[in-house]
Formats: sequence, structure tokens, C-alpha cells
Amino acid sequence: DAMVIQNPRYQVTQFGKPVTLSCSQTLNHNVMYWYQQKSSQAPKLLFHYYDKDFNNEADTPDNFQSRRPNTSFCFLDIRSPGLGDAAMYLCATVRGVGGYNEQFFGPGTRLTVL
Amino acid sequence: SQQGEEDPQALSIQEGENATMNCSYKTSINNLQWYRQNSGRGLVHLILIRSNEREKHSGRLRVTLDTSKKSSSLLITASRAADTASYFCATDDDRGSTLGRLYFGRGTQLTVWP
Repeated sequence: DAMVIQNPRYQVTQFGKPVTLSCSQTLNHNVMYWYQQKSSQAPKLLFHYYDKDFNNEADTPDNFQSRRPNTSFCFLDIRSPGLGDAAMYLCATVRGVGGYNEQFFGPGTRLTVL
Repeated sequence: SQQGEEDPQALSIQEGENATMNCSYKTSINNLQWYRQNSGRGLVHLILIRSNEREKHSGRLRVTLDTSKKSSSLLITASRAADTASYFCATDDDRGSTLGRLYFGRGTQLTVWP
């Protein structure tokens, strides 16, 4: 059973054309994360939500925004994608806080910027 | 930065052999986790080991943790071609890990040849 779902799996956009990636979860977890992962690199945390409380990483570009309208859904908006934003975008959830629990990842969205 | 470092970056073995991957990190932790990522997919949680544990087993996986050396190892015994994937270690930090934030390394790319 799918637990963390990401749509679309593959997204192609043009340089500067806004794009939205979506993530949904059936786990009812209160914490959701967005990661960016480039080839052969570690997943890089962009931001996370605890319920509706938004937490931005200090080095996340302003070009990246996020929305979480309810517990189940979270969106990543890239306002003006550049070539350097081409990457895999991973959504993850966790129950509770404190880093004591495993994170559940979606399959990712591969973003291509032309 | 707490980011872990895996070693080696790439490992190539034959089916049936054991695979050992190492991870080092920088600051004190509450727990360390290992994740697996098949090519083009999301991460899957394998095992979590707490800072007061030294060794943990799960099926063909054996994880050790040496907090004095700030290092961990993941051993996959009797490897199979289906074990081919990237393996990441991830740590929290013991400064009250905010919202379960994890720090990922760059991963070890394991290739198991039939």
C-alpha cells in the first residue's frame, strides 16, 4: 500500500517556468520534509513542517516555497526554475519528533529543466 | 556540519560475498539510521541503532556503532544481485534534534554481480 505518494514521478519544465510538485501521505504523520537530491549526492533538506509550522533551512533559496494545506498534502513550488534546480525531489514523513523514528520516503519526482 | 561520510563511495562484489560499508560522523548523536535507495527511487529505511546500542541485526543486515570513534558499519551478508543500490547513513544530533532532522552522507554505491 502506498504510504507516501509523489506526483508526478517525472516533471519537465522550461527555464523560468513555475512548477509545483506534490506529495501526499496516508500515514497521518505530523512532520513532512522536502529534500533535494542531485546525482551521487546526499539528500539535502530544503524545509519541513511540523503540522502547519513551517521551518526553512537557512540555505534554501527563496526560489523554493512550500505549502501544506492539510495533514495529508504538501507542495513544493519552484517559482523560477534554473538549470541548477534539475534534481530528484524527495518527500518524507515521520511520526513524532526527536529523530527517534524512521522517515518514510516517497518515490521522488525527477525534475528536468530545459 | 554533522553530515556523515560513507566509505567506500563505490563497492563492487560477486553474489554470495559479504559487503561492508562504513559511515563516520562528527557530533554526538541520539541514533544512526541506514537507508537504501534503488536507482531513481526514494529512500527505504533499513535499520536504526541507538547511541546506547553497539550492534543490531535485521535479517542479512548487521549494523555496528562505535560512538567513541563516531563511526558505524553496515554489513550485508550473502549478498544478492537485488542488493544493488546506494546505501546511506543518516544521523540526528543530540542537541535536541529538531523535528527529527537527519543528516545524510553521500552514500555508498553497491553493485552485486550475478
